[in-house]
Amino acid sequence: QLVLTQSPSASASLGASVKLTCTLSSGHSSYAIAWHQQQPEKGPRYLMKLNNDGSHFKGDGIPDRFSGSSSGAERYLTISSLQSEDEADYYCQTWGTGWVFGGGTKLTVL
Amino acid sequence: EVQLLESGGALVQPGGSLRLSCAASGFTFSIYVMSWVRQAPGKGLEWVSSIHDSGVSTYYADSVKGRFTVSRDNSKNTLYLQMKNLRAEDTAVYYCAKDDSMDVWGKGTTVTVSS
Repeated sequence: QLVLTQSPSASASLGASVKLTCTLSSGHSSYAIAWHQQQPEKGPRYLMKLNNDGSHFKGDGIPDRFSGSSSGAERYLTISSLQSEDEADYYCQTWGTGWVFGGGTKLTVL
Repeated sequence: EVQLLESGGALVQPGGSLRLSCAASGFTFSIYVMSWVRQAPGKGLEWVSSIHDSGVSTYYADSVKGRFTVSRDNSKNTLYLQMKNLRAEDTAVYYCAKDDSMDVWGKGTTVTVSS
């Protein structure tokens, strides 16, 4: 069964960097994923598509501070130079045998 | 500008029906998979349904299978979600999204199921 696992919460200081993790279930380590951001009281926004080789393709207007990387079944979203507006929920999502979302990570910027 | 605009959300009684629409513009609608995703109050994103470009193949989450029907009219650049036998747990903001990677989202439409 295709499942994406995310930590429920993360925090980092203003101006620092943070790395969020999304783990693909066993047998699905080759799958690409997408990262989406949802700021408080707003709809989701597509950040990037991230392939298993670490190549990633960002959406229009997504700052260079956002980057993606991969290792095995893990997919990462790194946000550098954290700003207050980065405080949001971050969801990973994949497709193949259906479409699936991770449970989301709530990022707090301290 | 690439855009998706949902409509049709409303307050409906349990057991009722509703049809949501998603109007697409700024891209070639007919060549993309389109999806519906919902978010219940205070919860995460939940995939609901998807439809391939031609409309022949459709897919549903177990939670809505047999009650919801997705369709599309490529001549009108519009995606639909027909919802029947609605339950309280269907209360959510419903979003439409473009392509497998959901690289474009609408702003959502709110469905409230309550007596």
